[in-house]
Amino acid sequence: AQSVTQLDSHVSVSEGTPVLLRCNYSSSYSPSLFWYVQHPNKGLQLLLKYTSAATLVKGINGFEAEFKKSETSFHLTKPSAHMSDAAEYFCVVSVSEYGNKLVFGAGTILRVKS
Amino acid sequence: KAGVTQTPRYLIKTRGQQVTLSCSPISGHRSVSWYQQTPGQGLQFLFEYFSETQRNKGNFPGRFSGRQFSNSRSEMNVSTLELGDSALYLCASSLGPNGGGGYTFGSGTRLTVV
Repeated sequence: AQSVTQLDSHVSVSEGTPVLLRCNYSSSYSPSLFWYVQHPNKGLQLLLKYTSAATLVKGINGFEAEFKKSETSFHLTKPSAHMSDAAEYFCVVSVSEYGNKLVFGAGTILRVKS
Repeated sequence: KAGVTQTPRYLIKTRGQQVTLSCSPISGHRSVSWYQQTPGQGLQFLFEYFSETQRNKGNFPGRFSGRQFSNSRSEMNVSTLELGDSALYLCASSLGPNGGGGYTFGSGTRLTVV
């Protein structure tokens, strides 16, 4: 069965420093993977997606993620954090043998200090 | 291009009542899926519809049901509400039958059961 594990429930960085949010996945076949962001009292916004094309995926707002099959990882990075990046981030795997179903990680809350 | 529209944004209901939530997908999208978000359980898959057919259902009791209309709009219904049904309910639309093009989420309906 497909699953994702977000290795950190909270991450705190200073503004201007790099961001690393870690995600490991489990999938019986080549997965589709996503990162979503949720700001307080808001819906989910897609940051980026991996669908078996390039292993380094660039997303919005300077975020990128690298798909590493050997490590079953899909970590999200950003070179320089901004205060507006403070939010909750979800790593998501798509289960699509039949139908559209997303399995979410538990989420990582990113805090950005000034 | 209009996004995914969920109505109402907020609801307060009493235990034992029933509630209907609505989701209008992006124009042209034929897949609508529903998710429940709670602090304790995170984001969990409820069900997914494509061309008016339910293709997947999550592990929720039969009090949770849904349907999709010919214009792809979807409704979900919760009967005999319990306090534990208090949550943010999110719907996502997708263009194709296997998530082609990714998933776009609405802002959600926040249901409070008192």
